[in-house]
Amino acid sequence: GEDVEQSLFLSVREGDSSVINCTYTDSSSTYLYWYKQEPGAGLQLLTYIFSNMDMKQDQRLTVLLNKKDKHLSLRIADTQTGDSAIYFCAESIRNTGKLIFGQGTTLQVKP
Amino acid sequence: GAVVSQHPSWVICKSGTSVKIECRSLDFQATTMFWYRQFPKQSLMLMATSNEGSKATYEQGVEKDKFLINHASLTLSTLTVTSAHPEDSSFYICSGTSGRVRTDTQYFGPGTRLTVL
Repeated sequence: GEDVEQSLFLSVREGDSSVINCTYTDSSSTYLYWYKQEPGAGLQLLTYIFSNMDMKQDQRLTVLLNKKDKHLSLRIADTQTGDSAIYFCAESIRNTGKLIFGQGTTLQVKP
Repeated sequence: GAVVSQHPSWVICKSGTSVKIECRSLDFQATTMFWYRQFPKQSLMLMATSNEGSKATYEQGVEKDKFLINHASLTLSTLTVTSAHPEDSSFYICSGTSGRVRTDTQYFGPGTRLTVL
């Protein structure tokens, strides 16, 4: 079945770049997403990438997609303390609208 | 745009009572809404998918008689936890999607924390 894997924890210093990695299994996914969740809150859509794209940049966020290896990454440039949160990657299942989420990566930003 | 609200944001109830959680899309018509459950420090588990005017489709292992879902309009879906027990305590999150906003993209509500005593 479909599966999405993420590393569980990442710690960086303020001002550094953060790279959060994700692997997925469903090669027919149409979109891949990155969501951010702060403590006690819902999910905030950060960015998404269509499956036929290799890269997408949106201000401090860069998404890289390696479709051959089914690998997705999110790079946050100039990481700030406000970026501390849990980051979920998710793949959409074609024709169902369903999302399969990874376990979430906790990003800790040290001042 | 694409804002989803949930009410209440948190609720405490006694074991055996029923609790209703509302999910509203505020600035778009959500033809499909999803209900998720999230345990502490874990990922989101999809419970069910509801399309406006149709019966919800439940994921395997989710009791449809316990978690009643109604999607009566394009802006409102409700989840009722019937005869709640302490093991139903969790964070419940809904999301909505509409082809007019962006294909397949789900927009999430802020979540409802349910504590059953």
